[in-house]
Amino acid sequence: DGGITQSPKYLFRKEGQNVTLSCEQNLNHDAMYWYRQDPGQGLRLIYYSQIVNDFQKGDIAEGYSVSREKKESFPLTVTSAQKNPTAFYLCASSITGMDGYTFGSGTRLTVV
Amino acid sequence: AQSVTQPDIHITVSEGASLELRCNYSYGATPYLFWYVQSPGQGLQLLLKYFSGDTLVQGIKGFEAEFKRSQSSFNLRKPSVHWSDAAEYFCAVGAGNSGYSTLTFGKGTMLLVSP
Repeated sequence: DGGITQSPKYLFRKEGQNVTLSCEQNLNHDAMYWYRQDPGQGLRLIYYSQIVNDFQKGDIAEGYSVSREKKESFPLTVTSAQKNPTAFYLCASSITGMDGYTFGSGTRLTVV
Repeated sequence: AQSVTQPDIHITVSEGASLELRCNYSYGATPYLFWYVQSPGQGLQLLLKYFSGDTLVQGIKGFEAEFKRSQSSFNLRKPSVHWSDAAEYFCAVGAGNSGYSTLTFGKGTMLLVSP
């Protein structure tokens, strides 16, 4: 079945370490997105990519980086510059965005 | 820039009763509107979407939503709630150019279903 796979489901890291969250899709979607979810805050856009080798900053890109070397993959790196990295991270993909997103099941990152 | 307001943080409904979740949006042009549902610790699932045409749209799981341009609203309804509907619900508005769109989400409404 087609879908989006995020791994790992839970991730623990020490403060000051960079960490990379994986997102893979086999839906043949052009666009991919990373959102951060905090309790009571809804979803906030970190980065998005409409095509391979191109991506744009979202509303809260500081302290994060991404790459889009393959259509299927859009990994997110949470760097040590991100002041409050503990959150639930959601990856999504779509054909154009206007058709709506398909979401992965998320990665819960805890930094201690 | 577009924005979405979901005025109710929590709503409690008795099983079998009707449900309406409120959503107000701000966007200068014709919006693309969505409702998603999220179970704890999971991703979001699309319930329904509105692009144009009939202002009453039907979705999955017996949900429907009505687009009212004059009120900038896109409220979600269900005539009879089941215990399995307990979850968090997000309204979203899409905006973009060149045929692509990013979605802006509201902060969500947590639905609790009482027996």
